[in-house]
Amino acid sequence: QSVLTQPPSVSGAPGQRVTISCTGSSSNIGAGYDVHWYQQIPGKAPKLLIYANSNRPSGVPGRFSGFRSGTSESLTITGLQAEDEADYYCQSYDSSLSGGVFGGGTKLTVL
Amino acid sequence: QLHLQESGSGLVKPSQTLSLTCAVSGDSVSGGSYSWTWIRQPSGRGLEWIGHISHSGTTRYTPSLKSRVTISADRAKNQFSLNLTSVTAADTAVYYCARVVVLGSLMYFDHWGQGTLVTVSS
Repeated sequence: QSVLTQPPSVSGAPGQRVTISCTGSSSNIGAGYDVHWYQQIPGKAPKLLIYANSNRPSGVPGRFSGFRSGTSESLTITGLQAEDEADYYCQSYDSSLSGGVFGGGTKLTVL
Repeated sequence: QLHLQESGSGLVKPSQTLSLTCAVSGDSVSGGSYSWTWIRQPSGRGLEWIGHISHSGTTRYTPSLKSRVTISADRAKNQFSLNLTSVTAADTAVYYCARVVVLGSLMYFDHWGQGTLVTVSS
């Protein structure tokens, strides 16, 4: 059971927009700690997609954006492409562990 | 360009010690401002942070594994290692090494190795 909670799956047609939520508790997201997102293509290592809630590393398309509202964090992908089909994980810092915690992952299917 | 490469035994017997090494090129495990971490992923499941070692050698471990885990660094070889003792089948997973950006409570993993599968079985 993961510390952060994500929907198990989402789907969308090419060109559409999808949003993946990530919720936590008072020892992580609820405490105001930053949230980061990773993309994992099946069989590959995770790749940093968004850091510190809304920042994209160099090379990540602008179609990927992160948004924080209070204690809730979300990843939005606009203009869906077939290559976006992957698992997406959120991650934050947890004060009770003094370390990193992840969500259970969300499988994105591009219809 | 930063590159991380895991190596080690892919098959470990129950109750024995899992040992992995991550060779780093393109950065220094001791000379920069980053930390270096191990993360694992059981087949079909999510990611679990195991622990990390800072550039100065300070370590942090997840509480559930703390009694069995040691992460160390070899400055001369520019690599860091994971030792996990008394393994069981529950420790079977793909193990990733990664670089960590750590600034107080800001903590994220910006570069990852390709991962290595470790199976615990007799």
